[in-house]
Amino acid sequence: DTAVSQTPKYLVTQMGNDKSIKCEQNLGHDTMYWYKQDSKKFLKIMFSYNNKELIINETVPNRFSPKSPDKAHLNLHINSLELGDSAVYFCASSQRGLPPYEQYFGPGTRLTVT
Amino acid sequence: ELKVEQNPLFLSMQEGKNYTIYCNYSTTSDRLYWYRQDPGKSLESLFVLLSNGAVKQEGRLMASLDTKARLSTLHITAAVHDLSATYFCAVDLNTDKLIFGTGTRLQVFP
Repeated sequence: DTAVSQTPKYLVTQMGNDKSIKCEQNLGHDTMYWYKQDSKKFLKIMFSYNNKELIINETVPNRFSPKSPDKAHLNLHINSLELGDSAVYFCASSQRGLPPYEQYFGPGTRLTVT
Repeated sequence: ELKVEQNPLFLSMQEGKNYTIYCNYSTTSDRLYWYRQDPGKSLESLFVLLSNGAVKQEGRLMASLDTKARLSTLHITAAVHDLSATYFCAVDLNTDKLIFGTGTRLQVFP
């Protein structure tokens, strides 16, 4: 009965490769997010989509491209992976404009670039 | 630019003791969240505070929000080992964009 799911859970790849992470939510929310947690556990928002429309686009290299085929799915594609991309990527979802505005997080994808 | 600071960054406390984690933020907001993260796990929502003076309690944890002071506290009463985790506060400027604090790593020992 997973609310927010991500695949894969672990991803190990070499520099220069292209990879994708997928996220799905079954909470009926209209907004989804990608966050990055670095090695010091610092969490920072990357992107947000509301009903398939990009609404938050933080200062992220354009090698990162999110795509939302529908409001229940949000994928993250990363081109030309670099060592500094190693991190845990969390997907989250919420219902925009509706209290308590709470965001629910997925289990995370640990990306290791070698 | 909104800044969110937590202190302490690391807290080692004995079982049965009380302590408070502080979360200060730089821009007025009335939406503040507390999350818990166990090692290698996701973020679990603990409290949602949406107004000045809001106080919420769950078990040994109690969170409060003072929007005028731009301060939230997470108070731990009679700590037990199961509370060992990293605790994050996060602030939302009514934009659905969560700005997280640095996290407080809590370790409870016998």
